[in-house]
Amino acid sequence: QSALTQPASVSGSPGQSITISCTGTSSDVGGYSYVSWYQQHPGKAPKLIIYDVTTRPSGVSNRFSGSKSGYTASLTISGLQAEDEADYYCSSYTSSSTLGVVFGGGTKLTVL
Amino acid sequence: QVQLQESGPGLVKPSETLSLTCTVSGGSISSYYWIWIRQPPGKGLEWIGYIYNSGSTNSNPSLKSRVTISIDTSKNQFSLKLSSVTAADTAVYYCARAPGRFLDYWGQGTLVTVSS
Repeated sequence: QSALTQPASVSGSPGQSITISCTGTSSDVGGYSYVSWYQQHPGKAPKLIIYDVTTRPSGVSNRFSGSKSGYTASLTISGLQAEDEADYYCSSYTSSSTLGVVFGGGTKLTVL
Repeated sequence: QVQLQESGPGLVKPSETLSLTCTVSGGSISSYYWIWIRQPPGKGLEWIGYIYNSGSTNSNPSLKSRVTISIDTSKNQFSLKLSSVTAADTAVYYCARAPGRFLDYWGQGTLVTVSS
């Protein structure tokens, strides 16, 4: 199964906003509202921060928001903080695989 | 609070079978989908497969012939077996819960190294 496309890295300064993109096809991101985002700090398990494109789980900061346009989903982090430095992965339902799900390749966020 | 904990050998010899168990506490395993995911050192996340409480399973086509996922509702556990392992199967293995098309609870992960 083909992975969703994410930029390898993004960076921003404290207080700024950054956006991480996740590009797929009509068989996944573009066709369904089942995109989720995960934050992973080094040596830790991933943590769910957005599901169903825009929904934030209880306890996740409202500085994290999700959106989708066409074949591209986006994660926006506003008011960047040092603790946001981590790897971020998107995932989507896909109709092009018998497994039904696919991850993006991950994006390393550096807070300058 | 739901918690998941992976357990199993940290070292497996090439050609042998990797076996891991995920114990779920703080909630019943008799609902939701239960997931196995892995992450090779320094690389991204890869879906291995999943099981529903009914016992129905599905797995990554790239691994399908080698993967067996099972569930024991009496012990609140589900398990992964990956046969004929090679060095390429060296990874941190995570178990997780899927209440929908997302993963809300994850285990801490366990590193499995394939080496003689």
